[in-house]
This record gives sequence, structure tokens and C-alpha cells, in this order.
Amino acid sequence: GEQVEQLPSILRVQEGSSASINCTYENSASNYFPWYKQEPGENPKLIIDIRSNMERKQTQGLIVLLDKKAKRFSLHITDTQPGDSAMYFCAARITGNTGKLIFGLGTTLQVQP
Amino acid sequence: EAAVTQSPRNKVAVTGGKVTLSCNQTNNHNNMYWYRQDTGHGLRLIHYSYGAGSTEKGDIPDGYKASRPSQENFSLILELATPSQTSVYFCASGGSGNTLYFGEGSRLIVV
Repeated sequence: GEQVEQLPSILRVQEGSSASINCTYENSASNYFPWYKQEPGENPKLIIDIRSNMERKQTQGLIVLLDKKAKRFSLHITDTQPGDSAMYFCAARITGNTGKLIFGLGTTLQVQP
Repeated sequence: EAAVTQSPRNKVAVTGGKVTLSCNQTNNHNNMYWYRQDTGHGLRLIHYSYGAGSTEKGDIPDGYKASRPSQENFSLILELATPSQTSVYFCASGGSGNTLYFGEGSRLIVV
């Protein structure tokens, strides 16, 4: 299978709190897991990614975790700000499937002041 | 950042008409992709290409054709547009590093 499940579909948090989005994948041959942020009316932009040889990666208030055994990966946004409000997509790439990404259905994050 | 340019950005077409969406990338990426984005469906892959002259079917290719005449250009063609093809279409390119760079999107309305 090549499905990527993403939850929750909508996430509302208070400014300054953390937000977590979880994704699961089916194909154990997946080896690359990017996260994209899409603001209204704009294109998706890569914000962070992790490869299968890592379990954790952090950059600028974003943390991604990868659990290959459970086939699960997650995005954690610390100290959320109103500017973090957007749609977030996780994706997975299968080894050997040159660049083809399978996307989750997206999470709408709303950060409330 | 990689530059991917789509045209037209907005298009209204009549049912049964032909629509061509164009995509140009200036980063010498081998791989290019066409996705459509609809509420509740996320990003779905229509066609993709590994290089000039190649096209591959994605997950939802029915009703669409693709053309990759050069490394830089990748077109999506709707020979007989239908209202169900009303959507936002994104082109993307990617190199060996796996990162995809998306264009600004083309909003298509079929009436």
C-alpha cells in the first residue's frame, strides 16, 4: 500500500502552546518524509524533512520524529504563533520510486491569540 | 529557492473544451509532477516525468495527458474538460535530493 494517513484534520491551539500532527504510512520501504506548509492562496513549501536513517530532527521551533517500527512520523511545533496558522501536509517517498511523494490529506492549524 | 513557473494562473474553460496548463522550471531538475488539490482530498498526483520525453501515470490520470518536450517544460493537457476537473493544479519539480518545489498553482474552473 501507498497510503499516508494524517491526523488531525483540524487543530486549534492557543498561542504559545505546542501543536502536534501525526502521520502513518503503509510501505516499510519508505525512506524520506517531508513536511510542507501551505498558507491560503499560496503553494506548499517545504519546512522540514527527515530521512529514514534518523529518528529526530529539529530546526527553528520545529521537531520531527520518526518511528520506523510503528511506521509513524510526527511534526511538533513549539511555542506556536499566529503566523503558524496554515495547512500542513506530511508526505512519504518510497525507496526506488524516484521522487514520487504520497501526501497525507492535510491538517489545518489555527493558532488563536 | 528553486523556480517553478505555471501558466495560466487562472483559467475558465467550457465543458468539452481543451485546456493546456504549462509549467517551466529553471533548476535543471530531472523530475516534474502535476498534482491537483481539492478540499478533502489533499494533493493527488496526476502525471509525472523522469526527464525529457518521458511521462508516467500518477494516481488519478484519467482525463489528463502530459507532455515533457524538454527538461524545463512539463504540460498537463485536458482534451475534453469536464466540471469535475475544476480544481487547483500544482506543478512541482525535484532533483536527486527528493525535495519538491511547487509552482504557484493554476486555478481552473470548468463551466
